[in-house]
Amino acid sequence: GGIITQTPKFLIGQEGQKLTLKCQQNFNHDTMYWYRQDSGKGLRLIYYSITENDLQKGDLSEGYDASREKKSSFSLTVTSAQKNEMAVFLCASSIAGTNTEVFFGKGTRLTVV
Amino acid sequence: QQQVRQSPQSLTVWEGETAILNCSYENSAFDYFPWYQQFPGEGPALLISILSVSDKKEDGRFTIFFNKREKKLSLHIADSQPGDSATYFCAASGDSGYNKLTFGKGTVLLVSP
Repeated sequence: GGIITQTPKFLIGQEGQKLTLKCQQNFNHDTMYWYRQDSGKGLRLIYYSITENDLQKGDLSEGYDASREKKSSFSLTVTSAQKNEMAVFLCASSIAGTNTEVFFGKGTRLTVV
Repeated sequence: QQQVRQSPQSLTVWEGETAILNCSYENSAFDYFPWYQQFPGEGPALLISILSVSDKKEDGRFTIFFNKREKKLSLHIADSQPGDSATYFCAASGDSGYNKLTFGKGTVLLVSP
C-alpha cells in the first residue's frame, strides 16, 4: 500500500495572498491530481499531471498554478486568495491509463480571512 | 451544466434497511462509474465501480445497478450499518484517455441504530 501526504493540513491566509499547498505520494503513481471540494458542491478538478513535468488544466484552473517537481510530488498555488474563501483541497494519484483507482489524500483545509 | 447528478442530497435509514442512492449523467462518452465513500476529515475512498458494458456489480453489501439507455445508476447498500454513515459520491469518466473523474455533489447517508 501507499499513502498520500498533504501539507499543511490547515491553512489560514489573507485576502490577496499567494498560498502553496504540497502533496507527496509513495505509490509510485504516474498521474497526480488536485481537486477542490466545496461544501455541497462535490469535487472539481483543478489540475492534473500525467507524468513528471507535465501539467494539464482541469475545469477550475483559473486562479491556480501547479508544479510537478518530481514523480512523487505535486504542488498547487493559489495565486491570489479570495476573501471569505473556504474549501478543502484534495490531492490524488493513480497509475497511468483509464478506469483505474484514484487514491486521495486527507486534504488541506483553506480559510481566507 | 452539471454532468453528474445525485439524489437525494441526504438520506436517513434505519440499521438493517437497504439504502438506495441515485445518480444520473449527461455525457454519453462516460463509460466508467466509480462510487467513492468519504468520512468527515478524510479523503474519498473508492467503494465500488462499474463499467458501462455491465448492468450490475456486486461487492458484499454494496451493489451498483446501471441503466445505460436511461443514463442512470444507483448504489444499493444492503443491511445498512451505522458505520456506513458517510458522504457518497458518484463519479464518471470517459474518453479522455486519463482518469479525469467528474463528480456529483454527493449524498449524505445517515444510518440510525
